Amino acid sequence: QKEVEQDPGPLSVPEGAIVSLNCTYSNSAFQYFMWYRQYSRKGPELLMYTYSSGNKEDGRFTAQVDKSSKYISLFIRDSQPSDSATYLCAMSASNAGNMLTFGGGTRLMVKP
Amino acid sequence: DSGVTQTPKHLITATGQRVTLRCSPRSGDLSVYWYQQSLDQGLQFLIQYYNGEERAKGNILERFSAQQFPDLHSELNLSSLELGDSALYFCASSQGQIDGYTFGSGTRLTVV
Repeated sequence: QKEVEQDPGPLSVPEGAIVSLNCTYSNSAFQYFMWYRQYSRKGPELLMYTYSSGNKEDGRFTAQVDKSSKYISLFIRDSQPSDSATYLCAMSASNAGNMLTFGGGTRLMVKP
Repeated sequence: DSGVTQTPKHLITATGQRVTLRCSPRSGDLSVYWYQQSLDQGLQFLIQYYNGEERAKGNILERFSAQQFPDLHSELNLSSLELGDSALYFCASSQGQIDGYTFGSGTRLTVV
């Protein structure tokens, strides 16, 4: 079993929908949680960063971390066709330097 | 442009051969990370260098090696290549903060 599990999708939604993306993990040492967006043939780019549990909002994006359930989420409001990409969750333990453990990614398609 | 430069963008080579992938980090970043992205394994951490010294090692095969030079650019050497080594290889850099990771656009390696 992988340390970080993520539904690969694809997830297809109409423009303007609220999108919910999720990851579960097994390593209780993870303290730092990130969401990356990856367009086809490009490198991942950081969207959201959260330390420990709680919520963080940035524009149309909200990240939630529930360490008690080992579950993290990314919500995208008013989704746009330009949000169509693969979304990767990533995590790091406090004592692991800056090494990231990634989920497999969820492919999102937002249709006009 | 993320500021992290990877060359070449594409590489096609035969089994048994050796290749070198190059990465120039973002200006001011001392840490360089190498990741492999394949369809079945997702993004996997290979190795991290900080200011010329190896800092952390992941699931990097013995056939693979890396180094970081005094000008901070890094090279990933892959030898005795196998078909299963075909993947996207990403370099990322940071100044040290977990939320400061910036990925390059990757090198797509195809082993035939």
